[in-house]
Amino acid sequence: QSALTQPPSASGSPGQSVTISCTGSNSDVGAYPSVSWYQHYPGKAPKLIIYEVSKRPSGVPDRFSGSKSGNTASLTVSGLQAEDEADYYCSSHAGINTWAVFGGGTKLTVL
Amino acid sequence: EVQLVESGGGLIQPGGSLRLSCVASGFTFSSYAMSWVRLAPGKGLEWVSAVRVHSAFTLYADSVKGRFTVSRDDSKNTLYLQINYLGVEDTAVYYCAKDGQRYYDFDYWGQGTQVTVSS
Repeated sequence: QSALTQPPSASGSPGQSVTISCTGSNSDVGAYPSVSWYQHYPGKAPKLIIYEVSKRPSGVPDRFSGSKSGNTASLTVSGLQAEDEADYYCSSHAGINTWAVFGGGTKLTVL
Repeated sequence: EVQLVESGGGLIQPGGSLRLSCVASGFTFSSYAMSWVRLAPGKGLEWVSAVRVHSAFTLYADSVKGRFTVSRDDSKNTLYLQINYLGVEDTAVYYCAKDGQRYYDFDYWGQGTQVTVSS
């Protein structure tokens, strides 16, 4: 069982917006400004798309945005495109004995 | 261009050992903490181990503590993971990941190496 809870699946039509939640606790998501999101195509290297809750690395489209409220973080993908169909994982720092904990992943389907 | 290339995976019997390697290029390897993260079938990503710069500090997930050993050779730009007493629960793709030097994010990942534990 993963430390962070994500819905196993999400979907939307091209052009729509979809939001993926990531629920943790006061020991991880709620405690640190360290939520990251990763996009993963099976068989490929995961890619960082959001760090420090809401910041985007260079080259990541602004269609991807992140936020946090209490112990729950969210990733919103706006203007869905076919290429956004992938697995998405959240992570958070969780204290001195753990570098990071991850969510179970959400499979995003573009209908 | 940052590149991380893992190797060393394979099919191994329960109780066996493996050493995974990750060769880094495109950045000053010695200046960054590095981690191993795994993805087991049907499960989410799991952080496994991290090593800070100069091997000053190593950290392990509870699930692998005492069985896995992370190390680095900065002269070879290489990260290692020695895995002992393998169990079927260790079956996964193992990725090496570079620390983003921000707040515990991983800004680059390799494509992974498959470890399958089966009799």
